Amino acid sequence: EVQLVESGGGLVQPGGSLKLSCAASGFTFSGSAMHWVRQASGKGLEWVGRIRSKANSYATSYAASVKGRFTISRDDSKNTAYLQMNSLKTEDTAVYYCTVTLSRWGQGTLVTVS
Amino acid sequence: SYELTQPPSVSVSPGQTARITCSGDALPKQYAYWYQQKPGQAPVLVIYKDSERPSGIPERFSGSNSGTTVTLTISGVQAEDEADYYCQSPDSSDTYVFGTGTKVTVL
Repeated sequence: EVQLVESGGGLVQPGGSLKLSCAASGFTFSGSAMHWVRQASGKGLEWVGRIRSKANSYATSYAASVKGRFTISRDDSKNTAYLQMNSLKTEDTAVYYCTVTLSRWGQGTLVTVS
Repeated sequence: SYELTQPPSVSVSPGQTARITCSGDALPKQYAYWYQQKPGQAPVLVIYKDSERPSGIPERFSGSNSGTTVTLTISGVQAEDEADYYCQSPDSSDTYVFGTGTKVTVL
């Protein structure tokens, strides 16, 4: 069974940093692209970014709203993906989901910038 | 920036058919995906590659593509189908876009 468990959310001040983790199990993590998607309270889904597999050179791509501030990485030995968030803004407040190939999703972790 | 436009809401009686549209210029060239999200829960993929249904998704969910508009159809709507629905598609610049979302209300 695919399981994705996000952690690392919390309260941070504007301008601060936070690093989210996504622990994966139940599928071949090393061969899968991992995405991060966020959702502000009462709002729709917003794609944040993606990291591809080693076979695809760990290529990353980001939404314009976070490019240059957020960085996605992965550790295939730990079956874990990461989202490093710097220069946080109040508008980054949201539940952050990790998803494998945008098919299976974790339950999310709340980030509050205030 | 690229946008996918959905109607804000759709209302349907139990047993009837709900159709949710999603419009975007890149849809003739890219596959569309549909997600169901119930309050307090993570999204669930219900349709991929325009019209494919993942295992475990009821047959009443179907998808179609007609150029710049894709449609999610829920046939024989049940009370448990009340949820928000989002379309999603890649764009030409290696990024991904979600639709504006549609709230389906079962009367």
